[in-house]
Amino acid sequence: KNQVEQSPQSLIILEGKNCTLQCNYTVSPFSNLRWYKQDTGRGPVSLTIMTFSENTKSNGRYTATLDADTKQSSLHITASQLSDSASYICVVSAETGGFKTIFGAGTRLFVKA
Amino acid sequence: EAQVTQNPRYLITVTGKKLTVTCSQNMNHEYMSWYRQDPGLGLRQIYYSMNVEVTDKGDVPEGYKVSRKEKRNFPLILESPSPNQTSLYFCASRRYEGASTDTQYFGPGTRLTVL
Repeated sequence: KNQVEQSPQSLIILEGKNCTLQCNYTVSPFSNLRWYKQDTGRGPVSLTIMTFSENTKSNGRYTATLDADTKQSSLHITASQLSDSASYICVVSAETGGFKTIFGAGTRLFVKA
Repeated sequence: EAQVTQNPRYLITVTGKKLTVTCSQNMNHEYMSWYRQDPGLGLRQIYYSMNVEVTDKGDVPEGYKVSRKEKRNFPLILESPSPNQTSLYFCASRRYEGASTDTQYFGPGTRLTVL
């Protein structure tokens, strides 16, 4: 069964600290993995997209890694800011003739001053 | 500005009263889809469309209908809403043309409550 599991469910950190969010998936055949940021009450916004051959992708203070062998990805946030408070969603797509997309439940990040 | 718009943003209705949530994109994208988001669950796809007059069911299509008469519009129709369709709905679009790594753009969401 195609699944995307994210951990932790929620996380509280102090402003300026780093953090790492985890994503494990069992989606097959793998096409790509995306990380989205979703502010409360808004639609998700794409942060990074990685295909099978890519193992790291950065977008400013956000760095995503992908290990296609172990089917794990992480999103590392450096020098967190209050505006990083949001849900972070891992999304994995399977190449199945069309594009099957499976969303994780997200990690809710709270950055405190 | 490239965007996906949805209307209404908030809607409270009663069981059985037909409603339509509109979605429009200005990026000439072929691929459009509807998702619902419920607490503790990931976004689940309701329906998607790969181009005009081409639609298909997603993971949770029961109780919903869609149409794609024009490239820019992809309305979601609830013929007889029920309380279990209370949710946050998102429309999204991206290029299709085999470009699976293209960015998918999401609308701002429609919060629907069915009493």
